[in-house]
Amino acid sequence: AQSVTQLDSQVPVFEEAPVELRCNYSSSVSVYLFWYVQYPNQGLQLLLKYLSGSTLVKGINGFEAEFNKSQTSFHLRKPSVHISDTAEYFCAHLIKAAGNKLTFGGGTRVLVKP
Amino acid sequence: GAGVSQSPSNKVTEKGKDVELRCDPISGHTALYWYRQSLGQGLEFLIYFQGNSAPDKSGLPSDRFSAERTGGSVSTLTIQRTQQEDSAVYLCASSAHNEQFFGPGTRLTVL
Repeated sequence: AQSVTQLDSQVPVFEEAPVELRCNYSSSVSVYLFWYVQYPNQGLQLLLKYLSGSTLVKGINGFEAEFNKSQTSFHLRKPSVHISDTAEYFCAHLIKAAGNKLTFGGGTRVLVKP
Repeated sequence: GAGVSQSPSNKVTEKGKDVELRCDPISGHTALYWYRQSLGQGLEFLIYFQGNSAPDKSGLPSDRFSAERTGGSVSTLTIQRTQQEDSAVYLCASSAHNEQFFGPGTRLTVL
């Protein structure tokens, strides 16, 4: 069965410091990967997605992620965070053979400190 | 509006009551998904609609849960005889291709 693992449940980081959120997936087929952000009391907003092509994917708000097939990883990075980046981040894998439903990791809560 | 909308935003109910949660997808999106977000279980898939039919209901946790979609648009998730473990945020998403757009969710609290 496909699964998505986010290795860190919480990541505290100082403002203007870099951050990396780790994500590993288990499926070898139909590798479509996504990062979503959830601000308090809001729904999920897409940060970026990997469907095919270049393994380095750039998203909104200065985030980027790198797809690594050999390590089955899709880590999210931002070189300099802002207070407004405080949120929960979810990595997700799309299972194309099953109606495109998403399987989510457990989430990583990022707390940006001044 | 241009996005996915859900109503109500918050629902408090008593154990044993039935509840209906509504989702209005983005116009023209043929696929619609329901997910549940709870503290213990994270984000879980519940059901998927393509048009008005539901080819995948595998995530519905019990027969107390049902959903329908009419006119290829609005969907309603119904929970009968609610239990405290049903307390969660219920998220709806719609999709035209490989990207899913999420609504703000309905926070359900069962007392």
